[in-house]
Amino acid sequence: AQSVAQPEDQVNVAEGNPLTVKCTYSVSGNPYLFWYVQYPNRGLQFLLKYITGDNLVKGSYGFEAEFNKSQTSFHLKKPSALVSDSALYFCAVRVLRERNSGYALNFGKGTSLLVTP
Amino acid sequence: GAGVSQSPSNKVTEKGKDVELRCDPISGHTALYWYRQSLGQGLEFLIYFQGNSAPDKSGLPSDRFSAERTGGSVSTLTIQRTQQEDSAVYLCASRRGIQETQYFGPGTRLLVL
Repeated sequence: AQSVAQPEDQVNVAEGNPLTVKCTYSVSGNPYLFWYVQYPNRGLQFLLKYITGDNLVKGSYGFEAEFNKSQTSFHLKKPSALVSDSALYFCAVRVLRERNSGYALNFGKGTSLLVTP
Repeated sequence: GAGVSQSPSNKVTEKGKDVELRCDPISGHTALYWYRQSLGQGLEFLIYFQGNSAPDKSGLPSDRFSAERTGGSVSTLTIQRTQQEDSAVYLCASRRGIQETQYFGPGTRLLVL
């Protein structure tokens, strides 16, 4: 089964420090990987995705993610955290649906990021 | 509109009642999804519509759940005889092409008393 795992329920980081939110994947074939962010009482907002090409993917709000095939990881990173980055972060993998030849997303359980002033 | 919209934003209902949740996808997006976000289960796929094809209903948790999409646009998720375990945030997403990103609406927070 195509799945992702987020090993940390919560990550705490001081404002201005670099942040990393971890994600590992288990897929057959080439993975299509995504990061979404959810602010309190809001829906999910797309941050970035990896389909193919460069292993370092740049996304919204200064976030980036590094695809590492040997470690089956797709960690989310930001060089300098902001208090406003505090939110719930979800890693996801595309899963092909046999019906309709489309796909859905399998999500990790989410990681709560808290950035303190 | 600019993004996916959902209504109502919050719904409180009594156990046993039926509820309808609405999703308006981004204009031109051919695919529409419903997901459920709950404390115990995380984010779960429920159902997927692609164009005029029959929907993929494989994620629906029981036959009390159904969804339709009229005219290839607006979708309604119906939960019959609601149970307390149906309490969750129901998220709708849409995408344009096969390689495109899914964009999510703000969700409907359902509370079954």
